[in-house]
Amino acid sequence: AQTVTQSQPEMSVQEAETVTLSCTYDTSESDYYLFWYKQPPSRQMILVIRQEAYKQQNATENRFSVNFQKAAKSFSLKISDSQLGDAAMYFCAYRSAFAGGFKTIFGAGTRLFVKA
Amino acid sequence: NAGVTQTPKFQVLKTGQSMTLQCAQDMNHNSMYWYRQDPGMGLRLIYYSASEGTTDKGEVPNGYNVSRLNKREFSLRLESAAPSQTSVYFCASSPGQGAYEQYFGPGTRLTVT
Repeated sequence: AQTVTQSQPEMSVQEAETVTLSCTYDTSESDYYLFWYKQPPSRQMILVIRQEAYKQQNATENRFSVNFQKAAKSFSLKISDSQLGDAAMYFCAYRSAFAGGFKTIFGAGTRLFVKA
Repeated sequence: NAGVTQTPKFQVLKTGQSMTLQCAQDMNHNSMYWYRQDPGMGLRLIYYSASEGTTDKGEVPNGYNVSRLNKREFSLRLESAAPSQTSVYFCASSPGQGAYEQYFGPGTRLTVT
């Protein structure tokens, strides 16, 4: 069975600085998708960024980028120029590219604090 | 375009009571999901419906039942609530499996006393 581990329960960053959130996963599958979701205090989950395992190039969405290391099974999220609105819980998630692709495995989350 | 809506937003039940959580999406998505979120554990899949007319168990299905009423609606029923079912419940939808983004509802906070 696949697992997703986020080893940092909490992180803190100064406004305008850069922060990296860690995520590792375990799978025996060769093809899959990885996601970072954001959950602000409103509780509404929002997709931040997505990575296809077959793509070597790291995904980027504006100030958000990932460092995807397939061999190490690592998928970290880098937030550049942090803003107060980035304060939230961040969840790393895994989805199979095969028949089990409806089931998403979430990590326990990292709470990010942004200091003004 | 409301996205994914859930009712109610809050609910308190006594042990043994039953209730149904309602979920609807207006994005014409094929797949719908029910998750629970507990502190320190992230989201865990309870049941999902890959397409209208089908439902399947997720990671933590015990104590729950679901109904995919039509393409828009997917309900979650607790037949006999237990304190262990105290949680925040999220409904989500997506066009399909794999790479597709899931769109989440605002959640229902359920307390069972």
